[in-house]
Amino acid sequence: EDQVTQSPEALRLQEGESSSLNCSYTVSGLRGLFWYRQDPGKGPEFLFTLYSAGEEKEKERLKATLTKKESFLHITAPKPEDSATYLCAVPGHGGSQGNLIFGKGTKLSVKP
Amino acid sequence: DADVTQTPRNRITKTGKRIMLECSQTKGHDRMYWYRQDPGLGLRLIYYSFDVKDINKGEISDGYSVSRQAQAKFSLSLESAIPNQTALYFCATSDSSGGYLQPQHFGDGTRLSIL
Repeated sequence: EDQVTQSPEALRLQEGESSSLNCSYTVSGLRGLFWYRQDPGKGPEFLFTLYSAGEEKEKERLKATLTKKESFLHITAPKPEDSATYLCAVPGHGGSQGNLIFGKGTKLSVKP
Repeated sequence: DADVTQTPRNRITKTGKRIMLECSQTKGHDRMYWYRQDPGLGLRLIYYSFDVKDINKGEISDGYSVSRQAQAKFSLSLESAIPNQTALYFCATSDSSGGYLQPQHFGDGTRLSIL
């Protein structure tokens, strides 16, 4: 069964304290991976698409990386406004773009 | 204005009632999706539509139906609501014309409570 697991479930950081979020997956023939950010009361907001192992994408303080088995979202010198839930998702078996499998997310809190 | 608009934003109703959640988009995307989000379970796909004439069941379609009235409009119906359908519902869109693996873009959700 295709699965996406995110860890940790919650992460508390001090402002400026860098860390990483993990997304591991068990799907046959990975066809790419998405990262999203979700704020309370809002829908997920698209951050990155990673297409193949070895790829990296950056946006401000965020950098996403992808291996054959997992992806990391590295947060460098976070600020309180980076507080949100971060979701990753992969296309499920069969390759249909309608069949995205989401992880349960990592809730990040950054304290000033 | 939001690119993906969901109405209503909040709804409280009773068991057995018929409910319709609506989604409209101005992104010009051909693909639309309905998800529900529950604490501890994450986002799960209910139905998706690749164009007006194409409707597909997702992971958890039982108890739900959908209608794609136009390229820009996709509605979700609960024919006879039950309390375990209380959840946050999201509509999303994506564009097939950009090639392989296009991201989905989400509305801000409908919070549905069934008493």
